[in-house]
Amino acid sequence: AQSVTQPDIHITVSEGASLELRCNYSYGATPYLFWYVQSPGQGLQLLLKYFSGDTLVQGIKGFEAEFKRSQSSFNLRKPSVHWSDAAEYFCAVGANGSSNTGKLIFGQGTTLQVKP
Amino acid sequence: GAVVSQHPSWVICKSGTSVKIECRSLDFQATTMFWYRQFPKQSLMLMATSNEGSKATYEQGVEKDKFLINHASLTLSTLTVTSAHPEDSSFYICSARRGQSQTDTQYFGPGTRLTVL
Repeated sequence: AQSVTQPDIHITVSEGASLELRCNYSYGATPYLFWYVQSPGQGLQLLLKYFSGDTLVQGIKGFEAEFKRSQSSFNLRKPSVHWSDAAEYFCAVGANGSSNTGKLIFGQGTTLQVKP
Repeated sequence: GAVVSQHPSWVICKSGTSVKIECRSLDFQATTMFWYRQFPKQSLMLMATSNEGSKATYEQGVEKDKFLINHASLTLSTLTVTSAHPEDSSFYICSARRGQSQTDTQYFGPGTRLTVL
């Protein structure tokens, strides 16, 4: 069965510091991978996605993620965090294949706190 | 573009009553909509997938008679929690997908907080 694990429930970084949020997935074939951000009162917003091709994916708001098949990981990174990045971050895997409707399996989420 | 709204944003109801939550794609037509449930500090759990004009496909363990989903048009899907009980209290989130492809982006609504007393 497909699953997504985000090992870090809560992370605190100082503004301007670099950030890496971890995501590990379990899926037999090549997955579709996503990172979403959830801010209070707003819907989940897609940061980036990986389907195929270049394993380093650039997203919005200065985020990037790298797909590493050997490690079953899709970690999210940002070189310099801004206070407005404080939010909940979700990694998700979308199963592919003809029998799938594109449903997403989400990780537990990582809460990012940014210190001034 | 690609805005999804939900109404209401929060609702409080008495045990035994039914509650309807609307999900609308405001600036695009959504061939597929998804309904998720999110418990505090936990992940989103997919409840069901609905395609316009056809019956919803429910995930294992989700009671279809309790969570009625209707996707009557390409811009509107509704979730009705029937005979709600306190254990149904949760954050319900919908998403809408513009196309048929599995790689099409899902756009999420802001969620509806349901509290059953």
